[in-house]
Amino acid sequence: AQTVTQSQPEMSVQEAETVTLSCTYDTSESDYYLFWYKQPPSRQMILVIRQEAYKQQNATENRFSVNFQKAAKSFSLKISDSQLGDAAMYFCAYKREYGNKLVFGAGTILRVKS
Amino acid sequence: KAGVTQTPRYLIKTRGQQVTLSCSPISGHRSVSWYQQTPGQGLQFLFEYFSETQRNKGNFPGRFSGRQFSNSRSEMNVSTLELGDSALYLCASSLTGGEQFFGPGTRLTVL
Repeated sequence: AQTVTQSQPEMSVQEAETVTLSCTYDTSESDYYLFWYKQPPSRQMILVIRQEAYKQQNATENRFSVNFQKAAKSFSLKISDSQLGDAAMYFCAYKREYGNKLVFGAGTILRVKS
Repeated sequence: KAGVTQTPRYLIKTRGQQVTLSCSPISGHRSVSWYQQTPGQGLQFLFEYFSETQRNKGNFPGRFSGRQFSNSRSEMNVSTLELGDSALYLCASSLTGGEQFFGPGTRLTVL
């Protein structure tokens, strides 16, 4: 069974600074998807970024980028120029190539200090 | 396009009762998945429905069931409620195997 591990229960970052959230996963499959979701206090899950395993290029979405290391099974999220609105719980998630079952990590609470 | 909607948003039940939660996916999305979120267990996959068929099921007891209608709307039912069923229940929809879009959730409290 696939597992996702987020080893940082909580992280803090100063406004305008950069922070990296870590995620590792375990799978025997070669094709899959990885995601970072953000859950603010409203509890609405928001997709931040996605990565297809077959793509070597790291995904980027504005201030958000990932460092995808397939051999190491590592998928970290970098947030640049952190903003107060980035404060939330961040979940790393894995999905097999087919089907829609997401396997989530335990989450990392990100606090942004002004 | 309207997002995923879930009703009701909040629900209070007592042990032994049953409950039905509803999820309306984004128009055109045929896949609906359900997740349970608790402080202790985190986010756990319940089941996925695609074109009215259960395509995948998580490791939950038979008290948890679901269905999907021809318009892709989905319901999940929990019978004989237990205190441990108190959770945020999230529904997500997707077109095929791509990204999933989540609804705002239903907060269930079992007393």
